[in-house]
Amino acid sequence: QSVLTQPPSVSGAPGQRVTISCTGSSSNIGAGYDVHWYQQLPGTAPKLLIYGNSNRPSGVPDRFSGSKSGTSASLAITGLQAEDEADYYCQSYDSSLSAFFGTGTKVTVL
Amino acid sequence: QVQLQESGPGLVKPSETLSLTCAVSGYSISSGYYWGWIRQPPGKGLEWIGSIYHSGSTYYNPSLKSRVTISVDTSKNQFSLKLSSVTAADTAVYYCARLAAGGGYYFDYWGQGTLVTVSS
Repeated sequence: QSVLTQPPSVSGAPGQRVTISCTGSSSNIGAGYDVHWYQQLPGTAPKLLIYGNSNRPSGVPDRFSGSKSGTSASLAITGLQAEDEADYYCQSYDSSLSAFFGTGTKVTVL
Repeated sequence: QVQLQESGPGLVKPSETLSLTCAVSGYSISSGYYWGWIRQPPGKGLEWIGSIYHSGSTYYNPSLKSRVTISVDTSKNQFSLKLSSVTAADTAVYYCARLAAGGGYYFDYWGQGTLVTVSS
């Protein structure tokens, strides 16, 4: 099954900007499949953060933004806040309609 | 507001079959959308198990396909997961979710998750 690689951890001070990469391949992201992002706070279910590469669901602050280029995608958090400390996962699909998630990134607010 | 709620045994013996149900409220399954199961072993990442359309069409993770069955009961507005021949490696929090389309396929509503432990 396809694999999406994320850095295990990123950190930043309050107010700073952090980015999380999601690296795929020519069979998934590079083939045109969209990337989505989820935030998982400790002990809770994942929550949809970004869909269709760069769209925010209603209620998600505009501090969160997504982009996609080539075989990779990125999630940016600007104006980092203590409440943003969580695990973040990217997700995409492949030609067999199989969903798959990234390896996950833990964001720490210093 | 769409809500999903998983239910089922929290403890399953090795080699037996894990069975979970996801009750959906606030939306009629027969109206459309795919519905899916995702799991997360303790301290690890998310793994997609499979998805089902209201008509019964299914898509499974190739690594689990031989052991997984997902079914839907539109009369009860719920869908179910069966995972056979479980081992300790199947211990995880199991989530059910709605799969939306429009900008790719993504999970827009999630249940709270239920921990299933495989142990004798």
